[in-house]
Amino acid sequence: GAGVSQTPSNKVTEKGKYVELRCDPISGHTALYWYRQSLGQGPEFLIYFQGTGAADDSGLPNDRFFAVRPEGSVSTLKIQRTERGDSAVYLCASSPRGLPRGDTQYFGPGTRLTVL
Amino acid sequence: AQSVAQPEDQVNVAEGNPLTVKCTYSVSGNPYLFWYVQYPNRGLQFLLKYITGDNLVKGSYGFEAEFNKSQTSFHLKKPSALVSDSALYFCAVRDTRSSNTGKLIFGQGTTLQVKP
Repeated sequence: GAGVSQTPSNKVTEKGKYVELRCDPISGHTALYWYRQSLGQGPEFLIYFQGTGAADDSGLPNDRFFAVRPEGSVSTLKIQRTERGDSAVYLCASSPRGLPRGDTQYFGPGTRLTVL
Repeated sequence: AQSVAQPEDQVNVAEGNPLTVKCTYSVSGNPYLFWYVQYPNRGLQFLLKYITGDNLVKGSYGFEAEFNKSQTSFHLKKPSALVSDSALYFCAVRDTRSSNTGKLIFGQGTTLQVKP
């Protein structure tokens, strides 16, 4: 079946601009996650959705970052007033149920964001 | 603090030889441990996980991992390495501090280089 998809695969923007990154999870998965991976680092958690609601947004670095999942499927990560330090690969993952701690997260290919 | 450590930045092994990629963790309560592999410009692919039960976990592509509670380790192993196993490997643990989070905490990653 289809895996997690993310669009665009690459995004280049200028400092101060607004960007939106989209994630399509695996069909039927109730949980969705966003992570950020900087060069040479492991992924860092940003936010976790259970259905339509953000159950844990403790990883969002500041109020320029916001994410939504209005219908419990597709999610959009929104970054306002982008800064050069936001440059990274943004990874999306989904899992069947979320709360069981053994639930496996399946990752998409990521969106590489470059802020000039 | 909950954390994962991968003490080796890179592991080099000859094709056909056994390989080990090390991981140690620190978490309160029972650990839920995962291994992922990342190929260049690709997302993370799930290899295997430990939830409970048998300390030796078998996963995809002939990989296995051994959970050792006393040493708080979860080392990834394969009896006979292939050149195609060359990639970046991440160990992760599920955050157990809150029942509402789906957060995975990742190590820094270990580059596996298998030479013909």
